[in-house]
Amino acid sequence: EAGVTQFPSHSVIEKGQTVTLRCDPISGHDNLYWYRRVMGKEIKFLLHFVKESKQDESGMPNNRFLAERTGGTYSTLKVQPAELEDSGVYFCASSDWSGGAADTQYFGPGTRLTVL
Amino acid sequence: DAKTTQPNSMESNEEEPVHLPCNHSTISGTDYIHWYRQLPSQGPEYVIHGLTSNVNNRMASLAIAEDRKSSTLILHRATLRDAAVYYCILITGFQKLVFGTGTRLLVSP
Repeated sequence: EAGVTQFPSHSVIEKGQTVTLRCDPISGHDNLYWYRRVMGKEIKFLLHFVKESKQDESGMPNNRFLAERTGGTYSTLKVQPAELEDSGVYFCASSDWSGGAADTQYFGPGTRLTVL
Repeated sequence: DAKTTQPNSMESNEEEPVHLPCNHSTISGTDYIHWYRQLPSQGPEYVIHGLTSNVNNRMASLAIAEDRKSSTLILHRATLRDAAVYYCILITGFQKLVFGTGTRLLVSP
C-alpha cells in the first residue's frame, strides 16, 4: 500500500511568487493534516480536513495560505504571495480515524520550501 | 493542549536498551500517550501509543506509570537506524499533534 506522498520534494521560489504544494493521502483516509517546521522551530499544525471539509484551521498563519481538498482525495496548500518566513518543511499526514481509540497519523516525507 | 516534558538529548550504544522518559503531569483521563519519531530528512513516524497499560509492538515498548503522569519509551536494542528525535504527545480522539522539542537520541556504534 502506498504511503502519503508529497510533491514537490523541494521548491525554491522568489519572495512574492506563488507556490502550490500537493499531498496525496493514503487511499481511503478521510483525515488529512498539514504541518510545517520553519527554521529552528518545532513542527506546528496548520490545518485538518475531514474528507473535503476543514475541521480545524486554527494553525493557518495568515490569509496568504489557502488549503483545498476537492473531492476529499488529494489536498493542495497554496502560498500566495510567499514571504521569506514561509521557508521551511511542510508535512502532510493522513489517518483513517473514525472514532474510538486515538488517531494514528501517517506522515509524508515533506516538501522543503525555500523563499529567496 | 496537555504538555509533555522530555530531556533534550540522550545517548546510547548500539545493541543496548534505551529508556526515553516523558513527564505529563497534567494528563487528562481521556488522553492517549503517543510516541512519534523523526529520522533525519524524513517525516515523523508513528512508534507506539497507550492509555493505561503497558504496550509492546515490533518497534518498541511503552511503560506507563500507574498514575499516568509519566511514561517511558523502551527500545530494547538500539540500532544506528534508531537515531532520531523522539516525541511524546498526548491526544484525545482525532486532534492535531502538538510537537514539542522532543528527545534527540544519538546511537554510537
